[in-house]
Amino acid sequence: AQSVTQPDIHITVSEGASLELRCNYSYGATPYLFWYVQSPGQGLQLLLKYFSGDTLVQGIKGFEAEFKRSQSSFNLRKPSVHWSDAAEYFCAVVTYSGGGADGLTFGKGTHLIIQP
Amino acid sequence: GAVVSQHPSWVICKSGTSVKIECRSLDFQATTMFWYRQFPKQSLMLMATSNEGSKATYEQGVEKDKFLINHASLTLSTLTVTSAHPEDSSFYICSARRTGTGELFFGEGSRLTVL
Repeated sequence: AQSVTQPDIHITVSEGASLELRCNYSYGATPYLFWYVQSPGQGLQLLLKYFSGDTLVQGIKGFEAEFKRSQSSFNLRKPSVHWSDAAEYFCAVVTYSGGGADGLTFGKGTHLIIQP
Repeated sequence: GAVVSQHPSWVICKSGTSVKIECRSLDFQATTMFWYRQFPKQSLMLMATSNEGSKATYEQGVEKDKFLINHASLTLSTLTVTSAHPEDSSFYICSARRTGTGELFFGEGSRLTVL
């Protein structure tokens, strides 16, 4: 069965420090992968997505993610975090497609805390 | 762990009929639930935010009369697609925010196909 694992429930980093959020997936075919962020009181916002091509994907707000097929990973990175990056981050994989309706499986999320 | 259950997982209906999708938080209370729609190979689109006991807040461009949302209790929100048409075929997913802690949990989604 398809699954997405985010091993870190909480991560605390200092403002200005680098960040890496881990995501591992289990899926038989070529995955379509997403990273979403949810700030308090907001809906999900797409940070970036990978469908094919260059395995290093650039997103909004200075985020990037690298798809590594050999490790079944799609880790999210940012060189220097800002206090406004404090939020919940979700990794997701499309689990089926066709017929006008893609399925989506989410990881359990990683809560990012920024220390001043 | 906390579980959000969506029902049905799969539904096929005829054009013109209405379909109700339920989102339940099984072991926690959720004051707020979110409804999303996933288009093929696209990002999730937030349709509406549902707060228990009050009217849902719809995102711009989402038809309130088309997608009826009811959040009658702290553990149940429903999305009714009224007079469904083939273009409403999609994957609908809900998320529930646990009251108190604010943790967010996702349902497994509901795949709607309108013939």
